[in-house]
Amino acid sequence: QKEVEQDPGPLSVPEGAIVSLNCTYSNSAFQYFMWYRQYSRKGPELLMYTYSSGNKEDGRFTAQVDKSSKYISLFIRDSQPSDSATYLCAMSPYSSASKIIFGSGTRLSIRP
Amino acid sequence: NAGVTQTPKFQVLKTGQSMTLQCAQDMNHNSMYWYRQDPGMGLRLIYYSASEGTTDKGEVPNGYNVSRLNKREFSLRLESAAPSQTSVYFCAGGTGYYNEQFFGPGTRLTVL
Repeated sequence: QKEVEQDPGPLSVPEGAIVSLNCTYSNSAFQYFMWYRQYSRKGPELLMYTYSSGNKEDGRFTAQVDKSSKYISLFIRDSQPSDSATYLCAMSPYSSASKIIFGSGTRLSIRP
Repeated sequence: NAGVTQTPKFQVLKTGQSMTLQCAQDMNHNSMYWYRQDPGMGLRLIYYSASEGTTDKGEVPNGYNVSRLNKREFSLRLESAAPSQTSVYFCAGGTGYYNEQFFGPGTRLTVL
């Protein structure tokens, strides 16, 4: 069983819809949770990060962590075609200079 | 600033050949990482360097070696390439309390 599970999609939604992307994990030691966005043929870029349980909002993006259920989510409001990309969740038990475990990524397509 | 740069962008090798993938960063990152990305497998850590002069194995180190030449440069060497090493390779630099990682554009390697 993988430490981090993520539905690969693809997920296709119309422009303006609310998108929900999710990951589950098995290691209860994970404390730091991140979401990366990767456009086709590009390197991943950090979108958001959170520490432990709770919500964090940044513009149209909200990251949510539920440690009791070992479940994290990324919500995208008012989705745009430019949001079409692969989204990878990532997590780590420690802070700086440590190994990060990535999910396999969910491919998202926003239809105009 | 160029950020994280990788050379070459593309490479085709024959089984048994050797090569070195180069990575350089001008963002003053202490930690640097080499990942491979395969369809359905997400990003898997090959080796990392928490600081200049140190290197450690990641999840999939077999068949690879690394050198942290100085703070800026971190190279990945394939001594005897195998078809199973066909992949996209990403280098990243890490910084900050949350180990925010900045990725290079990737090297697409095919081993025939």
